[in-house]
Amino acid sequence: AQKITQTQPGMFVQEKEAVTLDCTYDTSDPSYGLFWYKQPSSGEMIFLIYQGSYDQQNATEGRYSLNFQKARKSANLVISASQLGDSAMYFCAMRGDYGGSQGNLIFGKGTKLSVKP
Amino acid sequence: DVKVTQSSRYLVKRTGEKVFLECVQDMDHENMFWYRQDPGLGLRLIYFSYDVKMKEKGDIPEGYSVSREKKERFSLILESASTNQTSMYLCASSVPGQGAEKLFFGSGTQLSVL
Repeated sequence: AQKITQTQPGMFVQEKEAVTLDCTYDTSDPSYGLFWYKQPSSGEMIFLIYQGSYDQQNATEGRYSLNFQKARKSANLVISASQLGDSAMYFCAMRGDYGGSQGNLIFGKGTKLSVKP
Repeated sequence: DVKVTQSSRYLVKRTGEKVFLECVQDMDHENMFWYRQDPGLGLRLIYFSYDVKMKEKGDIPEGYSVSREKKERFSLILESASTNQTSMYLCASSVPGQGAEKLFFGSGTQLSVL
């Protein structure tokens, strides 16, 4: 069965500094996708970044990058130059490409990031 | 932009009531999902649908049912609400494929069952 683990319930970071949010996963699928979502206090889930298991390079989207280490089954999110608006819950998620639910994502328990001024 | 609209942001119901949570998406997506979000537990899939009138159970379907009579609308039904169903409910939609297709989420409905 697929599983996503986020071991940091909460984190603090100083404004303008970089922060890494940890995510490890477990799957027996040879092909899979990894996602990060942000959920501000308003409640809406905002897609941040995607990494495919066969992608050769780490994904980047603006200030977000995904540190993908396939052998270690980790997919950490790195936020550079933190801003106050980055304070939110962050969820790591995975989709397997074989069997199971069609298009479903499996989510971790989330990390609450607080950016200090 | 894709828009997923959930009919209520906050809802308060009494134990035993029948509750309908409505979700509408405007991008002709085949897949629609209902998740439940609880502190410390993340998001858990209740039901999903990959076509009109089709439904599949997720990880925690007990106490819930769903209806998808039209492609754009996916309803979550609590036949007899209980206090342990107090939660944030998130609807999502996507286009089927493999890999990179992301889920688009609504703003959520915070349901309180008293």
